[in-house]
Amino acid sequence: QSALTQPRSVSGSPGQSVTISCTGTSSDVGAYNYVSWYQQHPGKAPKLMIYDVNKRPSGVPDRFSGSKSGNTASLTISGLQAEDEADYYCCSHVGSYRVIFGGGTKVTVL
Amino acid sequence: QVTLKESGPALVKPTQTLALTCTFSGFSLTTSGMRVSWIRQPPGKALEWLGRIDWDDAKFYSASLQTRLTISKDTSKNQVVLTMTNMDPVDTATYYCARLRGNYEFDYWGQGTLVTVSS
Repeated sequence: QSALTQPRSVSGSPGQSVTISCTGTSSDVGAYNYVSWYQQHPGKAPKLMIYDVNKRPSGVPDRFSGSKSGNTASLTISGLQAEDEADYYCCSHVGSYRVIFGGGTKVTVL
Repeated sequence: QVTLKESGPALVKPTQTLALTCTFSGFSLTTSGMRVSWIRQPPGKALEWLGRIDWDDAKFYSASLQTRLTISKDTSKNQVVLTMTNMDPVDTATYYCARLRGNYEFDYWGQGTLVTVSS
């Protein structure tokens, strides 16, 4: 099973919105509403930002939102802030109790 | 408060077997629905799911690594152990344990432990 496809990098100015795509197949992203997103700052463990496609855990700012269309899930960061600069990974259930991660996207705040 | 922490050797030789321990607190793996996963990240690369163990001792592994992996638990010590055989330099990575919550999301992660495979 190949990793989910994410853009290597996206960038935006403070206050702008950026969207990260996560493309899979009809066997993973397209088949289940079990897509999650993780934020990872350098040298730190990942942090859960979105689960079940569009749900936010307690404590995650509402500037982070998730969606899905067909085989592609997306994470949108609205009102970009300096602390949002990090790597972001999507993750999807692929059946048989397994999950797969995306290749990661580096978000740069200009 | 949920915490997880990985421990084990920082350096292993090729062909050796790696054993890592995840010691956790704030939840119990005897509670229905609780699950712990192992995930790794080679330096500068993406996350890779390795496997998981559930409260009922069910175990699931990455299809590509399942012949080399074993995950077990010691509920009396609140520990989960990952064993990976026949280590290779490509297995050099930071290894994380994480709690699996709800459906398929990881809500708490350990700090990670870097394992280097080199002779």
